Amino acid sequence: QQQVKQSPQSLIVQKGGISIINCAYENTAFDYFPWYQQFPGKGPALLIAIRPDVSEKKEGRFTISFNKSAKQFSLHIMDSQPGDSATYFCAAKIGGYQKVTFGTGTKLQVIP
Amino acid sequence: NAGVMQNPRHLVRRRGQEARLRCSPMKGHSHVYWYRQLPEEGLKFMVYLQKENIIDESGMPKERFSAEFPKEGPSILRIQQVVRGDSAAYFCASSRGLEEKLFFGSGTQLSVL
Repeated sequence: QQQVKQSPQSLIVQKGGISIINCAYENTAFDYFPWYQQFPGKGPALLIAIRPDVSEKKEGRFTISFNKSAKQFSLHIMDSQPGDSATYFCAAKIGGYQKVTFGTGTKLQVIP
Repeated sequence: NAGVMQNPRHLVRRRGQEARLRCSPMKGHSHVYWYRQLPEEGLKFMVYLQKENIIDESGMPKERFSAEFPKEGPSILRIQQVVRGDSAAYFCASSRGLEEKLFFGSGTQLSVL
């Protein structure tokens, strides 16, 4: 059962544009929503995370928007750069240890 | 401070053989996790271990798979009698504390011929 649904599967954005990746979850017990960035041949790395008591979190060019009533959250990458080209995973977990449920990933390509 | 170290990076096995994947967590980290990534899919939780203890193995297949994290040495994920469906990237991750940031290794790509 896929508890975190992610879209789109792939995304091509021009340099300087905004990349938007969307996720939806089913389990209302989730209380921590991280985003991971994965480059080819590497493991995922934590990019930014949010808790459901906050509607938005911004770190540099990366922003998470969170809609608790709709059970949706999204990642916005402002001023996208070729170096941002990677696969992005949204994820969710319930408090305690790091048993994380991942989305299926979005392969982002930023073209010059 | 070295990151999470996994070896081998690539492992090729024939059907029926055993696969042993090793993971050395970051220094000072006592919480180890194993995740599996199938092609075009997200990572799936397999098991969570602390030193000498399996805390949660709810994501592990009931047969052929086992994991350990001994008092001394790396964590080991062992797959007996491998089948083609076991072909995947296996990632190890570690954290310092229960709810602290998770750091992933670069993974072991297992190919079963």
